[in-house]
Amino acid sequence: SQTIHQWPATLVQPVGSPLSLECTVEGTSNPNLYWYRQAAGRGLQLLFYSVGIGQISSEVPQNLSASRPQDRQFILSSKKLLLSDSGFYLCAWRLTGTGKTEAFFGQGTRLTVV
Amino acid sequence: AQSVTQLGSHVSVSEGALVLLRCNYSSSVPPYLFWYVQYPNQGLQLLLKYTSAATLVKGINGFEAEFKKSETSFHLTKPSAHMSDAAEYFCAVRKMDSSYKLIFGSGTRLLVRP
Repeated sequence: SQTIHQWPATLVQPVGSPLSLECTVEGTSNPNLYWYRQAAGRGLQLLFYSVGIGQISSEVPQNLSASRPQDRQFILSSKKLLLSDSGFYLCAWRLTGTGKTEAFFGQGTRLTVV
Repeated sequence: AQSVTQLGSHVSVSEGALVLLRCNYSSSVPPYLFWYVQYPNQGLQLLLKYTSAATLVKGINGFEAEFKKSETSFHLTKPSAHMSDAAEYFCAVRKMDSSYKLIFGSGTRLLVRP
């Protein structure tokens, strides 16, 4: 069976510091991968998605970047955090090659920028 | 463009009462629709999905949803609420391109009164 791991669970970072959030998927190959952000009291906003190694699509202009150095690894980064980067970050994956459409989510990282 | 609208940011019901969470969609093509549940500080869990098969879809935890094309709706229901159903619920539609990304509504927080 497939599992998704996302860490850390919580993170408090000062403004201007770098960020690296990691997500890995086990038990599948060539998944579609997604990074969502959930700001307090709001819905989910898609930040990035990837259909393969090194292939990143950005959905909204922002202070963040994403990378996919390996097939099942998806990293969300920032060189200098802003207060507005605070939120709940969720990684998700989708099984490809089966016609299945649903996405499965990690447990999320709560980022607080102070 | 595809979108979903969830009516009511908060819904409060008594334990044992009917749960009805509303979702309306906008799509120029037959949509793929989903309901997810999120417990505090956790990721999203898939409740059920509609993928153009049966219009009445049964999911986990006793939830079901009915796809009504004439009303462009996909409301989530449960006959009898349990305290454990208290959570935030998100309706989503799949973007009909190769990304398979999900477009989420703003969410409805379900409160269950004893």
